Amino acid sequence: DAGVIQSPRHEVTEMGQEVTLRCKPISGHNSLFWYRQTMMRGLELLIYFNNNVPIDDSGMPEDRFSAKMPNASFSTLKIQPSEPRDSAVYFCASSSMTAINTEAFFGQGTRLTVV
Amino acid sequence: AQSVSQHNHHVILSEAASLELGCNYSYGGTVNLFWYVQYPGQHLQLLLKYFSGDPLVKGIKGFEAEFIKSKFSFNLRKPSVQWSDTAEYFCAVKGKTSYDKVIFGPGTSLSVIP
Repeated sequence: DAGVIQSPRHEVTEMGQEVTLRCKPISGHNSLFWYRQTMMRGLELLIYFNNNVPIDDSGMPEDRFSAKMPNASFSTLKIQPSEPRDSAVYFCASSSMTAINTEAFFGQGTRLTVV
Repeated sequence: AQSVSQHNHHVILSEAASLELGCNYSYGGTVNLFWYVQYPGQHLQLLLKYFSGDPLVKGIKGFEAEFIKSKFSFNLRKPSVQWSDTAEYFCAVKGKTSYDKVIFGPGTSLSVIP
């Protein structure tokens, strides 16, 4: 298995532009997590899905952020409009919901820079 | 409230020194426990995990951790660190129901001096 795949690996965009981050979880995994990592705030859970349904989005910072999971093999995190303070590394992770004893597997992350 | 705390924000050691990173959690119910490592510029990778059974678990690269239920602790240890162990270390907890999320601690940055 190729693991969790995120794209793009790096994104540089201007303030006010829309940004879409993509994630393909490990095949067979039905839990998916979006995290944001910054020096100041560390690793923050933004939202997570079980069986494509958002379970907890309390970590989403504001309405500019939205996430979707239209099917079991794809999720997006969208920021519209983007702001410089959104600059961070965004990680996607997946795990198996049917197996209670399992860890989360992380993707390589997307490094977002908003100028 | 569900939370994970890590005792040290930044640890600096010389090569061959022993390492212990503290982790405590607050969680109602039985848990799964994890240590993840993040090498500079890379993503988080699993170092070791505890699900049940022997509270002393061994992971990759000579790391081990001990689950002490009475203290809600899951401390990470390594008898002799190497320069290549320089990384950020995250303790994490997850409940045993299908809908539980993984909660991470703030991380401990380890710098090993050659």
